[in-house]
Amino acid sequence: DTGVSQDPRHKITKRGQNVTFRCDPISEHNRLYWYRQTLGQGPEFLTYFQNEAQLEKSRLLSDRFSAERPKGSFSTLEIQRTEQGDSAMYLCASRDHIGGGEKLFFGSGTQLSVL
Amino acid sequence: AQSVAQPEDQVNVAEGNPLTVKCTYSVSGNPYLFWYVQYPNRGLQFLLKYITGDNLVKGSYGFEAEFNKSQTSFHLKKPSALVSDSALYFCAVRDMNNQGGKLIFGQGTELSVKP
Repeated sequence: DTGVSQDPRHKITKRGQNVTFRCDPISEHNRLYWYRQTLGQGPEFLTYFQNEAQLEKSRLLSDRFSAERPKGSFSTLEIQRTEQGDSAMYLCASRDHIGGGEKLFFGSGTQLSVL
Repeated sequence: AQSVAQPEDQVNVAEGNPLTVKCTYSVSGNPYLFWYVQYPNRGLQFLLKYITGDNLVKGSYGFEAEFNKSQTSFHLKKPSALVSDSALYFCAVRDMNNQGGKLIFGQGTELSVKP
């Protein structure tokens, strides 16, 4: 169990640029979640996958956001035409839906700063 | 709508004293409740959960939480605080409206333990 890993840890970009983040979940976990956290707030749900299927998307996930999980392993979150309001910590979490005890394992996050 | 509330933005405690971080919830049906801790620039770490059974739940690092159905509360407690307990604490409830297992988080409480 190497934990959930996210790359990059930090990303600074200019408004209007596209950015992509990667998440590698714990290998046997078939559920993967993306959350967004802004300063002074709790994490807000964005989307989740069961294997390669994206089963739920929050209304927070505008058309500029897209997430994929090809082959049910790692996942990517892309933000197109970034805006300053996208600046936040993007957290990935995973769990096993069988016998996992409902517990989510979080990565350390990607801190995005849009200038 | 399902939600959790953490009424205190910050809790200050002297080392060695007991600590309490408050959480109240609003859900339909029986709640699945969680506490997570977040250290600076890190992801969230699981502390404990309540799903069913004994109302007093014991978790990691000496923390415990008491489920109180009549008061719809799930307060986090520790008998003797350590300086190293200083961190951001989040209460969460499982979204029971679907099978996805996503968590809905409170806004967080910053715990500061002074020597």
